[in-house]
Amino acid sequence: DTGVSQDPRHKITKRGQNVTFRCDPISEHNRLYWYRQTLGQGPEFLTYFQNEAQLEKSRLLSDRFSAERPKGSFSTLEIQRTEQGDSAMYLCASSFSEPGQGDGYTFGSGTRLTVV
Amino acid sequence: GEDVEQSLFLSVREGDSSVINCTYTDSSSTYLYWYKQEPGAGLQLLTYIFSNMDMKQDQRLTVLLNKKDKHLSLRIADTQTGDSAIYFCAERSGTASKLTFGTGTRLQVTL
Repeated sequence: DTGVSQDPRHKITKRGQNVTFRCDPISEHNRLYWYRQTLGQGPEFLTYFQNEAQLEKSRLLSDRFSAERPKGSFSTLEIQRTEQGDSAMYLCASSFSEPGQGDGYTFGSGTRLTVV
Repeated sequence: GEDVEQSLFLSVREGDSSVINCTYTDSSSTYLYWYKQEPGAGLQLLTYIFSNMDMKQDQRLTVLLNKKDKHLSLRIADTQTGDSAIYFCAERSGTASKLTFGTGTRLQVTL
């Protein structure tokens, strides 16, 4: 397994268009996370899945954002009617939850979104 | 809510030790983490410490935790040019799954 893969690496879109990003986690990991990172800031939590269930969503995730993880494998993050403020790096991470362990994430390289 | 703060920038000479500091506000933090981010890349987990520990050593890395003061530090011994990156501190609260990250400290290693 080569780690967490994200596609595409870069996306430039016009304001008002819809975009979809894909994340393929490490295969044996049961948890998958989406974070957003803007320039000069640390990653901010958006949402996470345990297997196929979406268990938590941040208030940052407006109704224009939707995430899915069908069959508990890969995940997609869709942004509808993009706005310039959506420009950021979207990071996916996965982990295997195990009681008493640190459950440190493995991050993908991210998808950089630019809305023009 | 949770808040994690770090200084923005640190410059050290190659071969010296680097100490990157972090403070957090959440008294129910269970795990604290250090991640490294190189330009254009995702975050790489360096190490983590459980909140009932006060020190953890892993090769060139030493993590110190002062739970009373809510202060975490990362010491990198014999700093190399390849250590130049942004270092993020993060904390996990209670049994939550999400991590709260600091704004990152840019480490510059000079010759």
